[in-house]
Amino acid sequence: GIQVEQSPPDLILQEGANSTLRCNFSDSVNNLQWFHQNPWGQLINLFYIPSGTKQNGRLSATTVATERYSLLYISSSQTTDSGVYFCAVDVNTGFQKLVFGTGTRLLVSP
Amino acid sequence: NAGVMQNPRHLVRRRGQEARLRCSPMKGHSHVYWYRQLPEEGLKFMVYLQKENIIDESGMPKERFSAEFPKEGPSILRIQQVVRGDSAAYFCASSPPGGGTEAFFGQGTRLTVV
Repeated sequence: GIQVEQSPPDLILQEGANSTLRCNFSDSVNNLQWFHQNPWGQLINLFYIPSGTKQNGRLSATTVATERYSLLYISSSQTTDSGVYFCAVDVNTGFQKLVFGTGTRLLVSP
Repeated sequence: NAGVMQNPRHLVRRRGQEARLRCSPMKGHSHVYWYRQLPEEGLKFMVYLQKENIIDESGMPKERFSAEFPKEGPSILRIQQVVRGDSAAYFCASSPPGGGTEAFFGQGTRLTVV
């Protein structure tokens, strides 16, 4: 099956710093989503981005489908950005059978 | 516009009891998915259902686990004779019909087996 790897596995930032999270996948995909799992365990949709670039406030994401990777950019990080960031892909099943990556655990300190 | 609703948020069961987890999809969504997240791991697909039909259950354990999405009412994930290894967070997601669409997740049910 498809492999989804994220890097780095852990990241510690000072408040205000910028960061880039990476998601590599081993096969072509129909769908790619980024999620933030906050410290209370809730999964929050960040981006639905099978290709191209999107921005939402301090967050932006780029997926280069032909090269099988996606990047999530966090600018001017805040303590509320702490948590685990997952990318998840759907391998052309025709529905949302998502395969989740290994996650990047982010801690933003004040 | 309510999101995906799961209940209960927390569930404690003794070994050997049954656990029932409920999920109501977003309005207008006819596809429901269940995922399991073991401690310190990512989410793993369990089952995909449409109304009255199980479409893909390739991620479901072969025994003790079952899922349904009746014509009326929420989707139910049922775990019979729970064991300690079933302790996990169970998430439900929903999406509109068709592929290439975004899935939205509920807040999850955290099952603890004691």
